[in-house]
Amino acid sequence: IAGITQAPTSQILAAGRRMTLRCTQDMRHNAMYWYRQDLGLGLRLIHYSNTAGTTGKGEVPDGYSVSRANTDDFPLTLASAVPSQTSVYFCASSQGGGGIHEQFFGPGTRLTVL
Amino acid sequence: GQNIDQPTEMTATEGAIVQINCTYQTSGFNGLFWYQQHAGEAPTFLSYNVLDGLEEKGRFSSFLSRSKGYSYLLLKELQMKDSASYLCAVMDSNYQLIWGAGTKLIIKP
Repeated sequence: IAGITQAPTSQILAAGRRMTLRCTQDMRHNAMYWYRQDLGLGLRLIHYSNTAGTTGKGEVPDGYSVSRANTDDFPLTLASAVPSQTSVYFCASSQGGGGIHEQFFGPGTRLTVL
Repeated sequence: GQNIDQPTEMTATEGAIVQINCTYQTSGFNGLFWYQQHAGEAPTFLSYNVLDGLEEKGRFSSFLSRSKGYSYLLLKELQMKDSASYLCAVMDSNYQLIWGAGTKLIIKP
C-alpha cells in the first residue's frame, strides 16, 4: 500500500441498507477526514479524527458515523442509506499535530443510493 | 457564514497563461490551499499561502492578499494535461478546510 486506499471503488445501494466505506493509510498520519463531493458544491467535511481514538463532526455529519480504533483505518458508516447520500466520498489524511499540513486524498468511492 | 467563491469554468489556449481567482469570507484564517483535481480522480495538493504575496512553484504560482480576502492561481505555459478542476480551500479558525466549488479549466489546442 502506498498512500491512502478506499474500498469499494463504487457501489449501488438500496435505500435503507447499511454500508461501510473503508479507508486505510500507510503514512502514519495523525489526522484523517471524510468528505463528500457533489456536483456544483465544494468538498464538504462529514467527520474527522485528529488522532487515533478521537473523532469529531464536520459540516454534514447527519446519517454518518465513524470510528478510529487505530492510526491507519478510518471507516465511514451509513446506518440507513437515503438517496440524498448519493455522492462521491473521499477519505483524506494529514500529518496533523503542530503546524499546518496539506491533506492527501484517497481515490474516492462513488456511491449511488436508489 | 463562510463562503469561498471561484469561477465555475474557464477556457484557455495551450501555451498561454491563465489566472484563476478565489475570494473568501471565513471564520478566521490559517492559510489558503490550491488543489488540482482531474476528472474522476482525487484532489492533489498544489500550493499553500499564509502570508501575503506570491509563491512560485515551476509553472504554477499562487498569490494571497489577506486584507482583500483574495487569492489567485497563475498557470503559465499551459499544457493539455492542465485541463482539470482547480479547488481553492481556506483553513478556518478551527483548522478545518472550507472548500470552493472548484474552477473547471478547459485547455484548447
